[in-house]
Amino acid sequence: AQTVTQSQPEMSVQEAETVTLSCTYDTSESNYYLFWYKQPPSRQMILVIRQEAYKQQNATENRFSVNFQKAAKSFSLKISDSQLGDTAMYFCAFITGGGNKLTFGTGTQLKVEL
Amino acid sequence: GAVVSQHPSRVICKSGTSVKIECRSLDFQATTMFWYRQFPKQSLMLMATSNEGSKATYEQGVEKDKFLINHASLTLSTLTVTSAHPEDSSFYICSAYPGTGGSEAGAFFGQGTRLTVV
Repeated sequence: AQTVTQSQPEMSVQEAETVTLSCTYDTSESNYYLFWYKQPPSRQMILVIRQEAYKQQNATENRFSVNFQKAAKSFSLKISDSQLGDTAMYFCAFITGGGNKLTFGTGTQLKVEL
Repeated sequence: GAVVSQHPSRVICKSGTSVKIECRSLDFQATTMFWYRQFPKQSLMLMATSNEGSKATYEQGVEKDKFLINHASLTLSTLTVTSAHPEDSSFYICSAYPGTGGSEAGAFFGQGTRLTVV
């Protein structure tokens, strides 16, 4: 069974600063995909970034980037130039290749402050 | 990106009544949709997998007779909470995968439904 662990229940960052959210996972599969989802106060789940396990290159989407360490089973999210609109709950998620069930971490509540 | 629409966004019902929540994929067909329940400040808990034209698959511990799922078309899945009680009050979210990208592209989620049973 797959597990996803987010060890930081809450974090805060000053506007324009950089913050890193941690995520580790456990799986015996070799083909899988990792995601970060954002859930703002509206509670709409929004896909932030995805990473294919077979790719060594870390994914980047504008101010969001990941540090994917496959051997360590680590998948952290870096948010650069933090904005007030980044305030949200962030969930790390995992899916096996060919599978259709997402496994979610417990989430990290990020607050961006002035 | 792909759009999943969920309705209603909020509903208040009396204890003992039933409530239906709809989940629609607006610009793609979805043979499979997923229903989650989320408690305040917690993660999403998968309740069931909705399969078009066949029975839903429920996760362990989820009462299939209480949470009825119907996936009658390739763009619509419904969750009916039957004989609702205050403990069923929660936030319910559906999701689906765009057909071309498959699950690897990431799921898209509805806006969620806040159910309050009084």
